[in-house]
Amino acid sequence: DAKTTQPPSMDCAEGRAANLPCNHSTISGNEYVYWYRQIHSQGPQYIIHGLKNNETNEMASLIITEDRKSSTLILPHATLRDTAVYYCIVRVDYPGGYQKVTFGTGTKLQVIP
Amino acid sequence: DSGVTQTPKHLITATGQRVTLRCSPRSGDLSVYWYQQSLDQGLQFLIQYYNGEERAKGNILERFSAQQFPDLHSELNLSSLELGDSALYFCASSVDGNSYNEQFFGPGTRLTVL
Repeated sequence: DAKTTQPPSMDCAEGRAANLPCNHSTISGNEYVYWYRQIHSQGPQYIIHGLKNNETNEMASLIITEDRKSSTLILPHATLRDTAVYYCIVRVDYPGGYQKVTFGTGTKLQVIP
Repeated sequence: DSGVTQTPKHLITATGQRVTLRCSPRSGDLSVYWYQQSLDQGLQFLIQYYNGEERAKGNILERFSAQQFPDLHSELNLSSLELGDSALYFCASSVDGNSYNEQFFGPGTRLTVL
């Protein structure tokens, strides 16, 4: 299964874009990239996912490189409430409809006033 | 509020004991997942159930077991507890088991083993 590598921590000024990188160099063709975040020991919250194309929703944008070996989550205008641990996850689908998700230790994003 | 409920919120017990954690998925969700998060660690996937049947296994110890009932709620049983089992235990649910549906996480059960 593909593993992900993320920087352990990042700071971002409030109102600026937060760009969180993730390396998944061993990803294979059927593996999706998912991003979740966890605010202070609450249950993780889904943000966005993608396979090959860039994706955008009301929370964030996901940029996946053409070779799919890395991706970047972009929070366009970070607020203090975006302070959280952000997990980049590769999700593997197996025959029969089940999947396996491996969370790493994530990136702790601190948004600074 | 994700719609996933977990009980109890906190549990304190002693080594060697057995506990049961309960999870009710979002209405309509068929898949339930269990995760363990130790202090300052990432989430470790334990096990997944889909419509009452085990679908995938992660790093679940033999002392741990789970099941999903006909009403789709799930229980995680932890036995012969050790100090190292102290952790947050999260349950998540999704509509089904396929790749297009995100998981919705509950608030977690904090287990402390003394």
